[in-house]
Amino acid sequence: EPEVTQTPSHQVTQMGQEVILRCVPISNHLYFYWYRQILGQKVEFLVSFYNNEISEKSEIFDDQFSVERPDGSNFTLKIRSTKLEDSAMYFCASRGGSAGQPQHFGDGTRLSIL
Amino acid sequence: AQSVTQLDSHVSVSEGTPVLLRCNYSSSYSPSLFWYVQHPNKGLQLLLKYTSAATLVKGINGFEAEFKKSETSFHLTKPSAHMSDAAEYFCVVSEGKTSYDKVIFGPGTSLSVIP
Repeated sequence: EPEVTQTPSHQVTQMGQEVILRCVPISNHLYFYWYRQILGQKVEFLVSFYNNEISEKSEIFDDQFSVERPDGSNFTLKIRSTKLEDSAMYFCASRGGSAGQPQHFGDGTRLSIL
Repeated sequence: AQSVTQLDSHVSVSEGTPVLLRCNYSSSYSPSLFWYVQHPNKGLQLLLKYTSAATLVKGINGFEAEFKKSETSFHLTKPSAHMSDAAEYFCVVSEGKTSYDKVIFGPGTSLSVIP
């Protein structure tokens, strides 16, 4: 069964550095998402992406964050200048184009900011 | 505005006994509702979904959920718990006039299964 894959599984970065989290969504999916889960807290929506542009974003997704689908297969989340509070598990998800289709999630990238 | 409440942060059952994980939601539109499971250090796996068809939804691993509009509930059940069911369970509501992009996760319920 097709899967959403995320790399790396664990990323350690110094505060203030840029980080790029990578995702390969399921190949025929059209909608793409990023979520984060701070340790011990709930899963929070960050952003959704469709037709090469952001369709919705939460208040968490400020100017430090950006998303890109550079080559038709990868979907990336960039954090420009990381802060300690960016430490979290980041999940990528994708879904097909029909209404009501569920989102399929990757295994996540654990981001640790030192 | 949408929101999701999972009434129990932690549920503990004995192996072989029934499981009930409760979820209530609020939504301005006709929502789609989902249950996801997260095993330790793993991603989120879809258990089942409701999208305005049958109100009783069957999912994987013997789980099912019933959509009750009058009670705004979507409780998850399983007749007989297995050790492998121990995990975190999330109720998710999705609404949107066209694209179902707005997704809200409940806070999660941690299920423990006692041998």
